[in-house]
Amino acid sequence: GENVEQHPSTLSVQEGDSAVIKCTYSDSASNYFPWYKQELGKRPQLIIDIRSNVGEKKDQRIAVTLNKTAKHFSLHITETQPEDSAVYFCAAAESGGSYIPTFGRGTSLIVHP
Amino acid sequence: GAGVSQSPSNKVTEKGKDVELRCDPISGHTALYWYRQSLGQGLEFLIYFQGNSAPDKSGLPSDRFSAERTGGSVSTLTIQRTQQEDSAVYLCASSQNRDSPLHFGNGTRLTVT
Repeated sequence: GENVEQHPSTLSVQEGDSAVIKCTYSDSASNYFPWYKQELGKRPQLIIDIRSNVGEKKDQRIAVTLNKTAKHFSLHITETQPEDSAVYFCAAAESGGSYIPTFGRGTSLIVHP
Repeated sequence: GAGVSQSPSNKVTEKGKDVELRCDPISGHTALYWYRQSLGQGLEFLIYFQGNSAPDKSGLPSDRFSAERTGGSVSTLTIQRTQQEDSAVYLCASSQNRDSPLHFGNGTRLTVT
């Protein structure tokens, strides 16, 4: 089955800095890669996703890049703000196949004011 | 509209007792997932329902765990003879169809004493 590795487990940055979270996956059949943000005590919520037919996708301060050859994808947050503090999860799924997202272990992002 | 609803939000039970966790998905969503989130861990897949198809039970950790989905809507996750290692947050998610993003509920925090 799919295995998703996520690094780092904890990331501490100053407000205004950029943050990068990296994930690798093992199953070459995976072609859908969502990212979820989970604030303390709340439900995970989708913030951005990318499908394998594109290499990059942006949404304001958030971007995701995908390298299918190397089987890794990354989340980039620019101009971080304290409200970006949360746990971020990456996932991989096979759209058109079993489509059961496999999640990474999460990255706790702390943005210091 | 209403999101995914889970009940109870918290459950404390004694070791050896059975528990039932309920999930009410978003109306019209055909896919329903159960995940488990332990402290410091990622989201561990448990079971997946899609329409009227047989559920994918490949993530259930033991035969003490079972789930059903009645009428293609509400789902119940049952844990029999609970053990301390069952303590976790149990998250339910639904999606509009097989290849759509997941919408999570707030989870049920289960504590086995």
